[in-house]
Amino acid sequence: RKEVEQDPGPFNVPEGATVAFNCTYSNSASQSFFWYRQDCRKEPKLLMSVYSSGNEDGRFTAQLNRASQYISLLIRDSKLSDSATYLCVVGSSGGYNKLIFGAGTRLAVHP
Amino acid sequence: GAVVSQHPSRVICKSGTSVKIECRSLDFQATTMFWYRQFPKQSLMLMATSNEGSKATYEQGVEKDKFLINHASLTLSTLTVTSAHPEDSSFYICSVTSIRDRGLDEQFFGPGTRLTVL
Repeated sequence: RKEVEQDPGPFNVPEGATVAFNCTYSNSASQSFFWYRQDCRKEPKLLMSVYSSGNEDGRFTAQLNRASQYISLLIRDSKLSDSATYLCVVGSSGGYNKLIFGAGTRLAVHP
Repeated sequence: GAVVSQHPSRVICKSGTSVKIECRSLDFQATTMFWYRQFPKQSLMLMATSNEGSKATYEQGVEKDKFLINHASLTLSTLTVTSAHPEDSSFYICSVTSIRDRGLDEQFFGPGTRLTVL
């Protein structure tokens, strides 16, 4: 079993749609959780950290359920510029802030 | 502005040659840097953790004699792919970490180096 598993994708949605990504992680001792965005042939960039209480940043809402070891990302009112691969990332319980990346879910927003 | 720089951004080399990739932390001193590798349509895989002034810690399955890491200063880590072969062709990305609010670390990634071994 992979340490971080995500929806396989790709998601093809029209502009304005709401789309949700799911992610599960296997290590119950994981300390930190993130969603990163990666554009084609570019480096990943932090979209948002995920807090236990859930958090929102504009059109993006992230949720964490530690009991189920489940993380989600909701994107409302999708824009063409949201097209990218979304990476679920978990910080390990070990030292040096080791990050474990999911394989990513590709989102394509069309007019 | 950029927090992390990498050089070169792209390199094409012949099989058997060695390639050095530099990773620089521009905004802060980094005692720890990370090196990742990403094959096409796959996720980033951590190769090693680079520690300033000491030996790097390699992940399982990563050959330390093939991927030489040197972290000689608080702002520079280098990854040398020795005797590169076509299967080493990949996107190599470094990152540095900083402590943010609530004690959660954020990693800043360099722009990556695309290595193609012919």
